[in-house]
Amino acid sequence: GAVVSQHPSWVICKSGTSVKIECRSLDFQATTMFWYRQFPKQSLMLMATSNEGSKATYEQGVEKDKFLINHASLTLSTLTVTSAHPEDSSFYICSASFSGTYEQYFGPGTRLTVT
Amino acid sequence: KQEVTQIPAALSVPEGENLVLNCSFTDSAIYNLQWFRQDPGKGLTSLLLIQSSQREQTSGRLNASLDKSSGRSTLYIAASQPGDSATYLCAVRFSGAGSYQLTFGKGTKLSVIP
Repeated sequence: GAVVSQHPSWVICKSGTSVKIECRSLDFQATTMFWYRQFPKQSLMLMATSNEGSKATYEQGVEKDKFLINHASLTLSTLTVTSAHPEDSSFYICSASFSGTYEQYFGPGTRLTVT
Repeated sequence: KQEVTQIPAALSVPEGENLVLNCSFTDSAIYNLQWFRQDPGKGLTSLLLIQSSQREQTSGRLNASLDKSSGRSTLYIAASQPGDSATYLCAVRFSGAGSYQLTFGKGTKLSVIP
């Protein structure tokens, strides 16, 4: 149980374009979802936290207009990287929690490469 | 600032050896601590979760300890196998932060040599 999927697993896009990453909880209702970014040989850095039906809370230094997060349902959250630049190339991982528990269940990650 | 540090950054051991990975954190006020495994280019697999009131957790060949007062945790792997090769991440849920928020260390990359 508690499976989280991400799509796509990897994506290459051109500088200036936008790309959307999906995060789905497959067998539970995720009241809270988290988006992390991981650069090579670095730890996971929390970008934002979103609760279903509410606006996401962004961590300091994360541009909310660049990284658009939508958590429209209890099983789906999306991260849209707008006007992507090469420095946005990274590994993006989502996680999800359900009501009553603090444990996060992690997706397999999405490798974004901006050329 | 609440931080999590893992030492060493990389470790290479021959198959069959027992080993210890270290994690330290700056604030003893925590909800819990969690150890994860990450394979190259993959997401995270949860290994062990230790609540702040616990001293250790065991799962198979893995044993994680927690010393909250000194801000330290260790992950002990017994009889290591090549399949254990991965990066091991320590994450702490600090009290006072967003209650769900995890703070991660940079990880220890383990290589088990056949």
